[in-house]
Amino acid sequence: GDSVTQMEGPVTLSEEAFLTINCTYTATGYPSLFWYVQYPGEGLQLLLKATKADDKGSNKGFEATYRKETTSFHLEKGSVQVSDSAVYFCALRKGNQFYFGTGTSLTVIP
Amino acid sequence: DGGITQSPKYLFRKEGQNVTLSCEQNLNHDAMYWYRQDPGQGLRLIYYSQIVNDFQKGDIAEGYSVSREKKESFPLTVTSAQKNPTAFYLCASSIAAVGTDTQYFGPGTRLTVL
Repeated sequence: GDSVTQMEGPVTLSEEAFLTINCTYTATGYPSLFWYVQYPGEGLQLLLKATKADDKGSNKGFEATYRKETTSFHLEKGSVQVSDSAVYFCALRKGNQFYFGTGTSLTVIP
Repeated sequence: DGGITQSPKYLFRKEGQNVTLSCEQNLNHDAMYWYRQDPGQGLRLIYYSQIVNDFQKGDIAEGYSVSREKKESFPLTVTSAQKNPTAFYLCASSIAAVGTDTQYFGPGTRLTVL
């Protein structure tokens, strides 16, 4: 069935370091792909999305490219800040269902 | 402001009691969803509704019930049949039941059963 696999955390980085969080998916057809961010005690917020192959989603310095050939949607940011500390979820939408990864916790230290 | 509200933010109940979690949205979205989140885990779908007066079971519906009498509201009842109800519950909505749109999430309700 359809599913999402993302790298396990926790991830700890120093401020201004480069961030990559890997996400791969399994799905037939052409799902839409999303990255969400969750701050402690809150709901999920959409970070970025891509709806077709080779689309690049971007927001707040984060980027992810929909790679159909490798079934991947890796999240990247060139220079992380302390305020980026949160849990990041990769997700796909297929029809009326959303499938989420298990989340990757990121801590950025000054 | 448009958005999704969940209340209360924290809820405590004794074992064996039913409890209802509120979810309201003023985004005019057709589809609404309930998820459960446990520590260190992703989101698991409990129920979803594509339209008023209709809803479908998700992956972990046992021990839960929902209703969708109004477009804006999708309350979730955690019954005494749910074996391990302590968790963080998230409500979400989307514009259409099928498509490429994202889901919008409420702030969540943390339920603790004592």
